[in-house]
Amino acid sequence: NAGVTQTPKFQVLKTGQSMTLQCAQDMNHEYMSWYRQDPGMGLRLIHYSVGAGITDQGEVPNGYNVSRSTTEDFPLRLLSAAPSQTSVYFCASSYVLAGEGEQYFGPGTRLTVT
Amino acid sequence: GENVEQHPSTLSVQEGDSAVIKCTYSDSASNYFPWYKQELGKRPQLIIDIRSNVGEKKDQRIAVTLNKTAKHFSLHITETQPEDSAVYFCAASKIYGQNFVFGPGTRLSVLP
Repeated sequence: NAGVTQTPKFQVLKTGQSMTLQCAQDMNHEYMSWYRQDPGMGLRLIHYSVGAGITDQGEVPNGYNVSRSTTEDFPLRLLSAAPSQTSVYFCASSYVLAGEGEQYFGPGTRLTVT
Repeated sequence: GENVEQHPSTLSVQEGDSAVIKCTYSDSASNYFPWYKQELGKRPQLIIDIRSNVGEKKDQRIAVTLNKTAKHFSLHITETQPEDSAVYFCAASKIYGQNFVFGPGTRLSVLP
């Protein structure tokens, strides 16, 4: 199993540009989520999904869109990049079952918006 | 919503000593408390977790304690080693494996 994969690893955008961060998992996990990590602030939840066709907002959703058309993929779209979106983005997945608590994280995407 | 505080923000210990990191949470409905370790430039990885029906859990040199009444939980690392140096994050959630609220992290340095 590849686990959770993310592309790209690094990205530089200009203010106003749009882009999609890709996330895929091969563990048949129902739950997938996106976090952003900023220095001194831990990880903050952007959006999450409990299954194909179901998405919801997390703590910091503004400026981001998601969709979940398959169990495996959960892309994150930046609509119009802003310098405040400079961050490291992590995708994570887990089972939606009682007794299964671990979220598995992808390797991250480091995004810089100039 | 849930708020998780974590202390200290940095911690330096001598190799072989113990390290303790403490977290508090605000939402009494939270029932799952994982701890993640993140090495520089790497992804967070689960090291131990505890559920609300348990007061303490151990895994070799690592232990976690939970006080639901006071709404705080702690990570204990004994016999620290240089490879324990990393940033440690606590988190809380109301549903296992979903929608974690993370603390701001503790940078642990184990000095040889």
